[in-house]
Amino acid sequence: GAGVSQSPRYKVAKRGQDVALRCDPISGHVSLFWYQQALGQGPEFLTYFQNEAQLDKSGLPSDRFFAERPEGSVSTLKIQRTQQEDSAVYLCASSTMSGGLYNEQFFGPGTRLTVL
Amino acid sequence: AQKVTQAQTEISVVEKEDVTLDCVYETRDTTYYLFWYKQPPSGELVFLIRRNSFDEQNEISGRYSWNFQKSTSSFNFTITASQVVDSAVYFCALSEGGSQGNLIFGKGTKLSVKP
Repeated sequence: GAGVSQSPRYKVAKRGQDVALRCDPISGHVSLFWYQQALGQGPEFLTYFQNEAQLDKSGLPSDRFFAERPEGSVSTLKIQRTQQEDSAVYLCASSTMSGGLYNEQFFGPGTRLTVL
Repeated sequence: AQKVTQAQTEISVVEKEDVTLDCVYETRDTTYYLFWYKQPPSGELVFLIRRNSFDEQNEISGRYSWNFQKSTSSFNFTITASQVVDSAVYFCALSEGGSQGNLIFGKGTKLSVKP
């Protein structure tokens, strides 16, 4: 069956440009998470959606980061005025049950963002 | 504060050797969940196991086994008779009971299995 998909897989941006990263979760999964993985590090939590509601955005590093999931399925992570420190792999994960507390999160392949 | 520590940055073994990946966690919650994920070179994180804080039974799945010890706050992962396909970065992660389910990851251990 279809897993979590993300697009684009690779994105190169010039410093100061805006970027939009897309995540298609597994159909029917109510929980959706975004993580940021810097080179050689573990993923770090950015934000969490339950259906269309963004219930936790405590991990977003600055107000340049914005995420939405307007219809409770596809989600977009937007980064405005990109900086070099934004270079990382952005991972999306989805799970069943609200909060995903008990169930495994299924991860997408990630989008590798490079800011020049 | 919650934290996951994987002290081993890289491990290299020869095929068929057994290898143990260490994980130590910190949390103040009495209810929490521990996970192991595998990240092969392709980059996609693959779920291996979930264990809740009330279940200290060790688990075995084929060549994989996990040892959960609350007394030492450890959740170690052993691969028996390692194979080249086991080469990957392995992450231990924690989810606290009071959270929305977001995972707190360690920095990962890169395992290289040589033929």
